[in-house]
Amino acid sequence: KNEVEQSPQNLTAQEGEFITINCSYSVGISALHWLQQHPGGGIVSLFMLSSGKKKHGRLIATINIQEKHSSLHITASHPRDSAVYICAVADNNDMRFGAGTRLTVKP
Amino acid sequence: NAGVTQTPKFQVLKTGQSMTLQCAQDMNHNSMYWYRQDPGMGLRLIYYSASEGTTDKGEVPNGYNVSRLNKREFSLRLESAAPSQTSVYFCATTSLSIMNTEAFFGQGTRLTVV
Repeated sequence: KNEVEQSPQNLTAQEGEFITINCSYSVGISALHWLQQHPGGGIVSLFMLSSGKKKHGRLIATINIQEKHSSLHITASHPRDSAVYICAVADNNDMRFGAGTRLTVKP
Repeated sequence: NAGVTQTPKFQVLKTGQSMTLQCAQDMNHNSMYWYRQDPGMGLRLIYYSASEGTTDKGEVPNGYNVSRLNKREFSLRLESAAPSQTSVYFCATTSLSIMNTEAFFGQGTRLTVV
């Protein structure tokens, strides 16, 4: 069983919809990262959090340390949000990555 | 300000050939990492360097060597490439540690071993 599980694997939404991507992990962590990988392949860091909630524009990330669960929310989704979203947990100078959630937002 | 630069972007090797993937950062970061990304799997750590002059093995180090030439550069070498090393390779950096700071990634190197 993978140490970091993301759901769903694939997600298709209509423009304007509220999106939720989930991440569950089974190891102790110091921090959790949410990353975005565009079709061109580059990876960009969206959030790093160790407790509570963070918000950048239309993106919101939450983490529940006790339940070992994090969610990434996208409000008012747009076709430019189409990408693979990756959850990664960090501890002992290593990150363990989920397999990613492929999001497609249709106009 | 280029951030994290990887070269080359694409490479095709024959089995048994050697090559070096280069990574350079201009962010004055201490820690640098090499990951590989395979279809249906998350990125996996090959090697990392917490500071200039130090390197440590990650989850999948077999078949690879690394060199932290200076604070800016961290190279990954395949001495004798195998088809199982066909993958997309990413270099990443953090100012201190992946445990408490944001990570910055290069654009990736797509390697095919035939």
